[in-house]
Amino acid sequence: DGGITQSPKYLFRKEGQNVTLSCEQNLNHDAMYWYRQDPGQGLRLIYYSQIVNDFQKGDIAEGYSVSREKKESFPLTVTSAQKNPTAFYLCASSHPRTSGGGYEQFFGPGTRLTVL
Amino acid sequence: AQSVAQPEDQVNVAEGNPLTVKCTYSVSGNPYLFWYVQYPNRGLQFLLKYITGDNLVKGSYGFEAEFNKSQTSFHLKKPSALVSDSALYFCAVRDITTSGTYKYIFGTGTRLKVLA
Repeated sequence: DGGITQSPKYLFRKEGQNVTLSCEQNLNHDAMYWYRQDPGQGLRLIYYSQIVNDFQKGDIAEGYSVSREKKESFPLTVTSAQKNPTAFYLCASSHPRTSGGGYEQFFGPGTRLTVL
Repeated sequence: AQSVAQPEDQVNVAEGNPLTVKCTYSVSGNPYLFWYVQYPNRGLQFLLKYITGDNLVKGSYGFEAEFNKSQTSFHLKKPSALVSDSALYFCAVRDITTSGTYKYIFGTGTRLKVLA
């Protein structure tokens, strides 16, 4: 089955710890995205990547870091600099912009991060 | 900058009645518009999109949306609501940045509650 997987489903972090959220896709999509979802605030873009070894900051990148070493993988690290990391994190991918079709995003099941 | 607005935090409708979830947009150029649905503790699922062509777009699970350029709206509709349609609905628009990369702007979401 093609799709996007995120792991873990639930993650607990102590104050001062860095944690890494995994996102993998087998859809052959060039573009991948990380969003943060808080109640009543919709989705906010953290980072996105259009191609391997390149990524751009979104609207709320402070306290987060990413890498894009492989087309299939786009891990997100929540650093200790992120003061309020408790949230639901969603990864997404979309069709290559040269494909002539698609454009919609495909989402993973999400990771719920809680700071203890 | 591109933006979308969902003016209603919640919409209540009786089962079997038609439903409408509203979305308005502000874009420069031709809009690429999307609707997604989210069930509790899950990722977003794509419902439908407007890229070009017919103003009435049909999507998954019996949903449709009407693109209205003069009113800058893209309202989601369904002729007969089901209790299982109760979920959180997001409208989104694709944005092209000055560097030529693509990202998506989401509305704040509308919670649909279908009453039996």
